[in-house]
Amino acid sequence: DGGITQSPKYLFRKEGQNVTLSCEQNLNHDAMYWYRQDPGQGLRLIYYSQIVNDFQKGDIAEGYSVSREKKESFPLTVTSAQKNPTAFYLCASSMGQNYGYTFGSGTRLTVV
Amino acid sequence: AQSVTQPDIHITVSEGASLELRCNYSYGATPYLFWYVQSPGQGLQLLLKYFSGDTLVQGIKGFEAEFKRSQSSFNLRKPSVHWSDAAEYFCAVVHRDNNDMRFGAGTRLTVKP
Repeated sequence: DGGITQSPKYLFRKEGQNVTLSCEQNLNHDAMYWYRQDPGQGLRLIYYSQIVNDFQKGDIAEGYSVSREKKESFPLTVTSAQKNPTAFYLCASSMGQNYGYTFGSGTRLTVV
Repeated sequence: AQSVTQPDIHITVSEGASLELRCNYSYGATPYLFWYVQSPGQGLQLLLKYFSGDTLVQGIKGFEAEFKRSQSSFNLRKPSVHWSDAAEYFCAVVHRDNNDMRFGAGTRLTVKP
């Protein structure tokens, strides 16, 4: 079955360390997105990519980086520059604006 | 500024009662409209979407939503709530000129036995 896989489900990081969250899709979608979710704030867009080898900053890109070397993969790196990284991170992909987004099951990152 | 508002942070209903979750948007033109549901610790699942045409749209799990242009609203309804409907619900919009989805802050639904 087609879908989006995020790994790991839970991730713990020490302060000052970079960490990379994985997002893989086998839906053949061109567009991929990363959102951060905090209680009471809905979803906030971090980065998005409409096509391979191209990506744009979202509303809260500071302290994050991404790459899009393959259509199927859109990893997110949370760098030590992100001041408050503890959150639930959601990856999504889309075939186009008419279709909505398909979401992964998320990664919960905790900084210890 | 473009925005999506869900006025109710938390709603509690009794099992079997009807439900309406509110969503208002502020956009230059009518965007594409969506409702998603999220169970704790999970991703979001699409319930229904509106692009054009009939303003009453049917979705999965017995949900429906009505688009009202005059009120810039897209409220989600269900005639009879089941305990399994307890979750967080998000309204989302996409501008017709791009594929950038914006979400409301969410409404958490609690279902009483």
